[in-house]
Order: sequence, then structure tokens, then C-alpha cells
Amino acid sequence: EPEVTQTPSHQVTQMGQEVILRCVPISNHLYFYWYRQILGQKVEFLVSFYNNEISEKSEIFDDQFSVERPDGSNFTLKIRSTKLEDSAMYFCASRGGLAGYNEQFFGPGTRLTVL
Amino acid sequence: LAKTTQPISMDSYEGQEVNITCSHNNIATNDYITWYQQFPSQGPRFIIQGYKTKVTNEVASLFIPADRKSSTLSLPRVSLSDTAVYYCLLSGGYNKLIFGAGTRLAVHP
Repeated sequence: EPEVTQTPSHQVTQMGQEVILRCVPISNHLYFYWYRQILGQKVEFLVSFYNNEISEKSEIFDDQFSVERPDGSNFTLKIRSTKLEDSAMYFCASRGGLAGYNEQFFGPGTRLTVL
Repeated sequence: LAKTTQPISMDSYEGQEVNITCSHNNIATNDYITWYQQFPSQGPRFIIQGYKTKVTNEVASLFIPADRKSSTLSLPRVSLSDTAVYYCLLSGGYNKLIFGAGTRLAVHP
């Protein structure tokens, strides 16, 4: 069964450093998403991406965040200058483009720890 | 997006049927009702979705009354491995998913 993959599984960084979280969505999917989940809290939407541009973003997704689909397979989330409060699990998700409703498939997540 | 309300936690025993009810009084015409499952330190996993009446797959059943203001996820004969958080969400088309706190289901031996 096709699946979304994410690397690394765990990233430790110092406050102020840049991090790039990588995702490989399911190959024929057209819609891509990033979510995050702070420990013990609910899953929060960050950004959605379609047709090589951001289609929607949340208040969390400020100027420190960016997304890119550099090569048609990877989908990356960059945090330019990490803060302590960026520590969380980051989940990538993808969704097909068929007519009608179809579900989002989530990756296993990257645990980001900012020290 | 319309809000959903579901119990914070539930307890059950192995082999029992578990029903988790979700209320969504302000559901929109184009909203589908979707349920996800999440294990600790893992991404949410799609369980089932429906628009109206009853939907069944190999994992669960989803019951939706005619007014669509609530829905019930039914898990037949749960096992210890069904211990997880279950989320009821509304989503229309290709929109983002808005997660609430979910229902923490604990299955006991």
C-alpha cells in the first residue's frame, strides 16, 4: 500500500537554527499539507499546497515558515530560525485529486526538538 | 468550519463493541464526516467517512441520521490494539482538516 514518508524521524536543533523537514507524498497525489502537534495537544493545520503554490495557511505559518516542492516528489517544510515553541511533531499529509471526497494520508511524523 | 463535540474519553473491554458519538449541529451541506485514529507518536490514520446514512468498511461502521447533526463511529469487538485517540472531523472537498481534542479510548483486558 502506498504511504507518505518523512525524514528525519527525529531532529534536534539549537534555537535560531534553520531546519528542513522532508516528506515524500504518495506519488499520484496532488494536494499536500503540513500539520504539527505539540506534545499532549491537538493536531494543528499549518499549510496546504496545490499546483505549486500555497492554497491556505494558518496563523501559525508565519514568515519563519516556508514550503517547497523542489523536484516533483519531495515536499519540504523549512523553519528559518527555530524557537523553543516550535518543538513538536510535524506531520506531512497528501491527498489525491480525484473527483469527490478523498481522505488525507498522513506520514509518520518528524519529532522536532529545539534546545 | 463547523465544530464537532465528542466525549473526552471512553473505556471498554476486549471483545466489546464501542460506539463513539460526535455532534456537529452546524454541519454544512458540503461537509463530509470523517473519523481518524491516532496512536501515540504516530500520524493520524483515516478510518471511515460518510455523508449520510450508514457506511461500513473492514474496520468500522459509521451511522449518520437524516439530519446529519450527529454521527456514531462503531468499532466491533475491540482489542487492546484499538486503544488510541479517535477524531471526528468535518471536511468539504480538499480543505484542511481541523482536529479537536478527540476521544481517548482505552481498551482493557
